[in-house]
Parts: sequence; structure tokens; C-alpha cells
Amino acid sequence: AQKVTQAQTEISVVEKEDVTLDCVYETRDTTYYLFWYKQPPSGELVFLIRRNSFDEQNEISGRYSWNFQKSTSSFNFTITASQVVDSAVYFCALFTGGGNKLTFGTGTQLKVEL
Amino acid sequence: EAQVTQNPRYLITVTGKKLTVTCSQNMNHEYMSWYRQDPGLGLRQIYYSMNVEVTDKGDVPEGYKVSRKEKRNFPLILESPSPNQTSLYFCASSLSRQGAGGYTFGSGTRLTVV
Repeated sequence: AQKVTQAQTEISVVEKEDVTLDCVYETRDTTYYLFWYKQPPSGELVFLIRRNSFDEQNEISGRYSWNFQKSTSSFNFTITASQVVDSAVYFCALFTGGGNKLTFGTGTQLKVEL
Repeated sequence: EAQVTQNPRYLITVTGKKLTVTCSQNMNHEYMSWYRQDPGLGLRQIYYSMNVEVTDKGDVPEGYKVSRKEKRNFPLILESPSPNQTSLYFCASSLSRQGAGGYTFGSGTRLTVV
């Protein structure tokens, strides 16, 4: 069975600080896909990134970066120079062919204050 | 505009009164699914469909039905709603079951069963 753990329930930072959201996953499949989604206060789910299990290269997109480490089964998300607009709940999710479904973590509430 | 459209956005109903939440996508996606979001539990998959007339149970299918008679539509049916089905529901679609290009989510339906 697959599982995604986001141990940080809530994080508060001051604007311009860097912040890392942790995501640890469990699966026995060798082929799988990892995702991050953002849920702002308005409630919609916004797709941020998809990464397959064979691509361990880190990725950077503007102030966002992702660190994928198969050795520790982690797919962490870093926001550099955080802004108030980054305040949201962030979900990490895992798709495995064996389970044929997307499994979400419980989410991390990020609050960025002035 | 490419999107997943859910209706209604908000619904209050009474126990036992059958209801349908509609979901439609205009991206010709093969894969569609339904999730419910509850505090502290993240999103959990209810049902998914890999193509027309192909549906299967997710993690929490009890009390729900779905159908996929056309590629674009994937309604969620609650034959006899109960208070424990009070939740925030999301429909999602993707080009492939593995989420190529990311899963696109609808805006959500907040259901209250009294």
C-alpha cells in the first residue's frame, strides 16, 4: 500500500524567509509519480509539479524548488523569499500503477506574515 | 479555457434525499476521479474512471455511485446521503491515469447533509 506523510501540520514564517515543506512517501512500486498541489484560501487545487520515479533531478521554477531523493523517499518543496500570497495549504501526492490512484498527504498549512 | 466544471458549488440537503454532483471536463481527458477532503485527512479518492464505461472504487466508495456514459462527464451520485458524507468534494481529470500534465481539479462542491 502507498502512503504519503507530511509531518508538518502548520508552518508560520515571516515574509522573505525561505521555507521547506517536507514530504515522505512509501511505495513498493518502482514506477511512480509524485505531485505537489497548492490550495489557497479560495479552495481550488492548483497543480505545481509532477515528477516520475526515474527522474531524480531537482527542479527550480522561479521561487519554487523541489528536492527529490529516492534514498530517503522524500520529495521536499522549498519556497525561497516567501510572500504573503504563498499562504496556502500544500499537498504532496503519490500515484502508483499498482494502486491506480492518487494518494494525498494530509497537507501543510503555510502562513506567511508581514 | 481548459477546465473541470463542478456543480453545484454549495449544497445543503437532508438525510436520505438523493443528490447528484455533476462534473464535466473539456480537455478530452480519459481519466477522471472524485475525491473528498476532510480536515486532517487530506483528500481521499472515492471513485475513478479510466475511460467511458470503465469505473472502479477508490479508498472510500461506500455510499457513492458514479457513471461514465460520455467521456466528458463523470457525475457523483449519493443515493441516500448521511451526515458523515458532509465534506468538500473535488472532481479531477487527467490525460492519463498517471497524471501526465497534472491532474486538473474542479473548484469543489461543499456538501452539508443535515
